[in-house]
Amino acid sequence: DADVTQTPRNRITKTGKRIMLECSQTKGHDRMYWYRQDPGLGLRLIYYSFDVKDINKGEISDGYSVSRQAQAKFSLSLESAIPNQTALYFCATSDFVTGELFFGEGSRLTVL
Amino acid sequence: GENVEQHPSTLSVQEGDSAVIKCTYSDSASNYFPWYKQELGKRPQLIIDIRSNVGEKKDQRIAVTLNKTAKHFSLHITETQPEDSAVYFCAASSPSGTYKYIFGTGTRLKVLA
Repeated sequence: DADVTQTPRNRITKTGKRIMLECSQTKGHDRMYWYRQDPGLGLRLIYYSFDVKDINKGEISDGYSVSRQAQAKFSLSLESAIPNQTALYFCATSDFVTGELFFGEGSRLTVL
Repeated sequence: GENVEQHPSTLSVQEGDSAVIKCTYSDSASNYFPWYKQELGKRPQLIIDIRSNVGEKKDQRIAVTLNKTAKHFSLHITETQPEDSAVYFCAASSPSGTYKYIFGTGTRLKVLA
């Protein structure tokens, strides 16, 4: 089945370290997103990309950067991780016709 | 900026009763309103959606209503079952048609057997 795959699924790191979360998809969708989930705050959009040459900031982009290496790959980087970036991160793709979002399984990041 | 408010944050109902979750949105250009269900430890998945040219949509025990004038939409679950227990998120696409979703803060629904 076509899917959205995130790596790593769990990561514990220390303050100040550089972290990269990777996302790859086999759905053939052009549109990809990174969301952050925190208890009580829902899903907040970090960055989104509608094709390889298109990168857009979301609601909470400060402290994050992204790279769209190919249609199927969209990476999220934390250049210098801080404890309040501890969260569950979801990558997602969307179908151009229906608009449905398809989420990856999530990457749980803990910054000590 | 764009905003989606969702209420209540938690909801407990007896099995067989109905559950209603409400959302309001700020961007009048929004035209697509999906609802996602997230079971414990799982990824969010689409359960139903509605577009701005429709006032109501039903799919078995779930329905969504949209009031464009008031800028609010609601999820209705009838005859609730224990497997309906999950966190539900509403979302609005903003700006119009570009599928940049803004999500509500979620509602944790507990169905008591």
